[in-house]
Parts: sequence; C-alpha cells; structure tokens
Amino acid sequence: AQKVTQAQTEISVVEKEDVTLDCVYETRDTTYYLFWYKQPPSGELVFLIRRNSFDEQNEISGRYSWNFQKSTSSFNFTITASQVVDSAVYFCALSEAGVQGAQKLVFGQGTRLTINP
Amino acid sequence: KAGVTQTPRYLIKTRGQQVTLSCSPISGHRSVSWYQQTPGQGLQFLFEYFSETQRNKGNFPGRFSGRQFSNSRSEMNVSTLELGDSALYLCASSWTGGYTGELFFGEGSRLTVL
Repeated sequence: AQKVTQAQTEISVVEKEDVTLDCVYETRDTTYYLFWYKQPPSGELVFLIRRNSFDEQNEISGRYSWNFQKSTSSFNFTITASQVVDSAVYFCALSEAGVQGAQKLVFGQGTRLTINP
Repeated sequence: KAGVTQTPRYLIKTRGQQVTLSCSPISGHRSVSWYQQTPGQGLQFLFEYFSETQRNKGNFPGRFSGRQFSNSRSEMNVSTLELGDSALYLCASSWTGGYTGELFFGEGSRLTVL
C-alpha cells in the first residue's frame, strides 16, 4: 500500500529562519508523482510543486526549494528566510494511478508551520 | 478565471439526516474528485468523476455517493449522517484527472453533525 509520512506535526520558528519540512513515502510503483500542497486558514489546498519519479533534480522557486531523493524515499521542502505569510499547514502527497488513469492522491498527515514575527 | 466553487461553505445537520454538497469545477476541467478531511484521519480520497463516470472510489461506506453532471459540476451525498461524518469536504478539479496532473481545490464545505 502507498503511504506518506510527515513526522513533524508542528513546527514553530521565528521569521527569517530557514525551515525544512520532511516527507517520506512508500510505494511499490516505479512511476509515481509527488506533490506538496499548502493549506492556509481559508481551507483550500494550494498546489506548490509536482515531481515525477524519474526526475530527481532538486528545484528552487524563490524562497522555496525541494529535495527529492529516491534512495531514501524522501521529498523534503525547505523555506528559506521564512515569513509570517508562510504560516499554514503543508501536505506532502503521492499520486497513485487508479483505474483508467484516474488520479487519487495519498496525503501525509500534514505539518502545521507557524512563523512568529 | 474562476476557481473551484463549493456550496454550502458551512452546514449543521443532525444524526440520521442526509446532506448534499455541490462543487463547480474550473471551466474546462472535466475531472472532479472529493476528499474528506478530519483531524483524526487527515485527508482521505472519496471518489473521482470524469465525464459523468465514477472512475475511482476510496474506502468509504455506501452512505457516501456522488455524481457528475454533463457540465462537469458534481454533487456528493451522505445519507444517514453519523457524528464521525463531521469534516471538511474538499472538492478538486483538473483537466483530465490523470495521475500526473495537479489538482485545484475549493475552499471546502464544513459539515458538522450533531
């Protein structure tokens, strides 16, 4: 069975600190996708990044960066110079190919990130 | 471009009642999926529809059902409500629903069962 584990339930840091959110996944599939979503207090999940299983290149987008390592089944997310607006719950997810190619995301339990001024 | 719209945003029901939640996807999106979010179980997949056909279903009892209309709008229904059905129900849409794609989520419908 596919599983996503986010061991950090809550993280609290002071503004401008760097913070890394951990994500470990389990899957038997050789082809899969990994995602990070952000959930602000309003409730909707906001897509941040998608990475397929064949692309292990790290990615940087502004203050955000992602480190994908198949050898350790990890897909970690780092925020550099954190800001109060980064406060949210962050979810890591794994995409499982269902019947007829339908998408079903398996989510981790989420990490609540609080950035204090 | 309008996002995913879910109605109602909040509702309160009592045990034994039924509820219908609505989701309007982003224009042009043909896949709609539903997720239940609770503090204990987290985010769990309910089902996914594409072109009015249910393509995938999560591990939920038959009390949970859904449908999709020809305009891609979707509804989900929960019958004989139980206290444990209290949750945030999130709808997401995408172009094709294939497992490579990102999902666009609505703000959810928060259901409280008393």
